[in-house]
Formats: sequence, structure tokens, C-alpha cells
Amino acid sequence: DAKTTQPNSMESNEEEPVHLPCNHSTISGTDYIHWYRQLPSQGPEYVIHGLTSNVNNRMASLAIAEDRKSSTLILHRATLRDAAVYYCILREISAGGTSYGKLTFGQGTILTVHP
Amino acid sequence: GAGVSQTPSNKVTEKGKYVELRCDPISGHTALYWYRQSLGQGPEFLIYFQGTGAADDSGLPNDRFFAVRPEGSVSTLKIQRTERGDSAVYLCASSPRGGSTDTQYFGPGTRLTVL
Repeated sequence: DAKTTQPNSMESNEEEPVHLPCNHSTISGTDYIHWYRQLPSQGPEYVIHGLTSNVNNRMASLAIAEDRKSSTLILHRATLRDAAVYYCILREISAGGTSYGKLTFGQGTILTVHP
Repeated sequence: GAGVSQTPSNKVTEKGKYVELRCDPISGHTALYWYRQSLGQGPEFLIYFQGTGAADDSGLPNDRFFAVRPEGSVSTLKIQRTERGDSAVYLCASSPRGGSTDTQYFGPGTRLTVL
């Protein structure tokens, strides 16, 4: 799986937007970009995913660079409940391979939200 | 509906003992994954089941680790001759089909401590 690079940590204030960057300069045309987050003492949870176009859902937005070598997860108004480790993950599209289902986690970004 | 459940939530054992960790996936999900997470690290893939069969076991660290899913639902991760380095949180996830856009739903994990 292609590698992603994220800052170790970021801080935000409550009610403010947060932009979490991810670099994936070696991404291939068959990789989806996924984001998961892990709240303290819980298993990871899905946030959003995309391929080429920007994506929005109730949790967040995903902005993907035109060359796909980077992406940004956007939390529009951070709350204290958004404090978590955020993981940017690449997953292969190909349906025939045996390994394309797994998630390969890096270190992620620890997001601290201040009241 | 019910999410992924894992039992026990905590397991303390002595070096050299055998342990079994259980995962109950979301009903109807054909794909099931095991991950291991050491302190301060992202989860690390161990094994992926599609139905009853192991589609990818490339993450199992050695032959002391084994997992089964005999009826395509509940899975058990088995660790023989436990070592102190096996101490970690063991996470289970399930997804509807196992594809590269499938959301994985994680359980809360089993914290294994080997004394």
C-alpha cells in the first residue's frame, strides 16, 4: 500500500474549522483515500473517503488535490467530541486482489480541541 | 442495531499460556478483520476473512497466532505460548462485503496483557 504522511499533532479551538492535511505523493490511480478516526479508548471509526472529487458528508469534508498527491480532511466546526487520532489511509480499488480489503494505518494526527 | 462486540474486554495472562479472543461481527457482514494496536501506534493488520475462509493472513506475525471463523459469523483469534511482546489491544472489524470502498466497523477491542 502507498504511504501517507501526516503531522503528528494539531490543535484547534472549539467551534472553529480544522484542516487536517495528508500527503500521499506515491498514490496510484487505483487508490481510494480514506479517513478514519479513533476516539480515546475506542476502536477506529470511518469518517469519509474519496477518489478524485471533493466529498462531503455529515461528519466532514474531504478536499483532494488535483494531482491527488495530497488531501485535506475538513471539520467545519470542531467540538470537544472531535478530539481523536485521525488516520489518512490509501486503499486499492482492484477487486481481484486478496489484500485490497485491509486498512494500513500510519501514526495519524492527534487532534486536540480546546474549549 | 448492534455493533461489533469483542470479549473479553480485558485479558491478563502469564507468559507461555494460551488465550482466545472472540469477535461478534455485525449481523450479515461477510468480511471480518483482526488488527493489533500497540501503545502509541496505529492498528496493524493481522488477518482478513471473507465468509469462512481467510482471504489474507499476511499480517499474522508467526505461527503462534491463528484465527478461525467456522460459520462465517463469530471469529476467534487464538494465541499460543503467549509472550510479553503480544501485549496490545486486539481490534476486530467487520464490513458488508470487504471491498475497497466498504466501511469497516470496529469493535472496542480486547486489551491483552501478558505478564
